[in-house]
Formats: sequence, structure tokens, C-alpha cells
Amino acid sequence: EAQVTQNPRYLITVTGKKLTVTCSQNMNHEYMSWYRQDPGLGLRQIYYSMNVEVTDKGDVPEGYKVSRKEKRNFPLILESPSPNQTSLYFCASSPLPGTSAEAFFGQGTRLTVV
Amino acid sequence: DAKTTQPPSMDCAEGRAANLPCNHSTISGNEYVYWYRQIHSQGPQYIIHGLKNNETNEMASLIITEDRKSSTLILPHATLRDTAVYYCIVRSGGYQKVTFGIGTKLQVIP
Repeated sequence: EAQVTQNPRYLITVTGKKLTVTCSQNMNHEYMSWYRQDPGLGLRQIYYSMNVEVTDKGDVPEGYKVSRKEKRNFPLILESPSPNQTSLYFCASSPLPGTSAEAFFGQGTRLTVV
Repeated sequence: DAKTTQPPSMDCAEGRAANLPCNHSTISGNEYVYWYRQIHSQGPQYIIHGLKNNETNEMASLIITEDRKSSTLILPHATLRDTAVYYCIVRSGGYQKVTFGIGTKLQVIP
């Protein structure tokens, strides 16, 4: 089954404690992306990657890092989480934009930073 | 990518057609129009996409105006399970950022 898997689904952590949210896709997609969703602000793109070792900033990259060492994985790293990073996070993958293909989204990670 | 404008909310009676508009007046020639929906806080789900012709699949129809500056997503017989937030986005191959707005919250009423 084609899917994007995020882990963990729920996480409560303390300010400053480094964490990683994993994202894995099994569709051999080139393009992967991270979004955060906050009430009233819709989905905002954090980072995206067009292929292995190719990443770029989205609209709200501050406080986040990503890496793309393998095609299937695109972890989101918060080196020093702060309460304003409390949010619902989604990972997505698709073939490269422009190939008129749909994006698949993970089920989300609800992060709370206290 | 072109920006899109959608009404923040709409209601639709169960069994009736739901017509969700989207304005994308700055769309360029190589940009596709995509529609996704998000039920509660689940991951967004793809519905349909198109370039300039009208499209139909098992979920919905997409009507794109001739000048491509706006489109309408049609759910022909809305059910309670169609209650969700619907996002209209445009994306192309040359510019890789994808921008989702706040979407339209569709409430299907029994």
C-alpha cells in the first residue's frame, strides 16, 4: 500500500530538548516536504526536498532542520524546540512538481513543547 | 506559485451539489490546479487536478474557466462525510514551493 509514515504521532517535550520526527515513503517519490498547521493559518511549508541531498527552505523554516540522505526518508529535526513550535506537522511526498501527480500526506504528528 | 483565494466557509444541504470556488488570477500557463481536502486533523487527501480542461473522477468534478483565473470544485451529491476543509492550490515544475491557504470549511447539513 502506498503510504507516507510519520513517527511519532504524538509527542510532548520540554523546551530545548532536541527531537526528530521521522517521515518515510514507499513510493519512490523524488519530492518530499514538511508542513506545519496552526489554527487560522492553514498549512505552511517548512522545508522541501527535490531529491537526495537537495533541500530548500519553505515559508517558515526558522528553528527547523531537515536532511535527505536516502530517497525514502525525510526527517524533521528541532535542535532546540520552543513553545511556539507546538503545532500539528505533516510530511508529504509526490513525484516532482510539474508531473501533474498528486501528493500523499502522512497522518500527522501533534507536537507539544512545554 | 500563484496564490489562491477561497471563501473561508460554506454550507451545503446533504444530497445537494456542493460548489466550491477558487480564484487563482495570477496562475501561469504551466501551473496545474489541485484540490485537496482535510477531514478533522487527518492528513490532507488528494481529490482532483487539472490544467485547462474540465475533469471528473469518482469523487468530484473540476471546472476551470477558459481564462484559467478561477475554478470550481463540484461534489455532485454531498454527504455528511464530505464535511471537511477543502484546499485549492496551484503548482508548477519550475518553482517548487507549494502554498496552501486556509481553505474552505465545508459543512454538510442533514
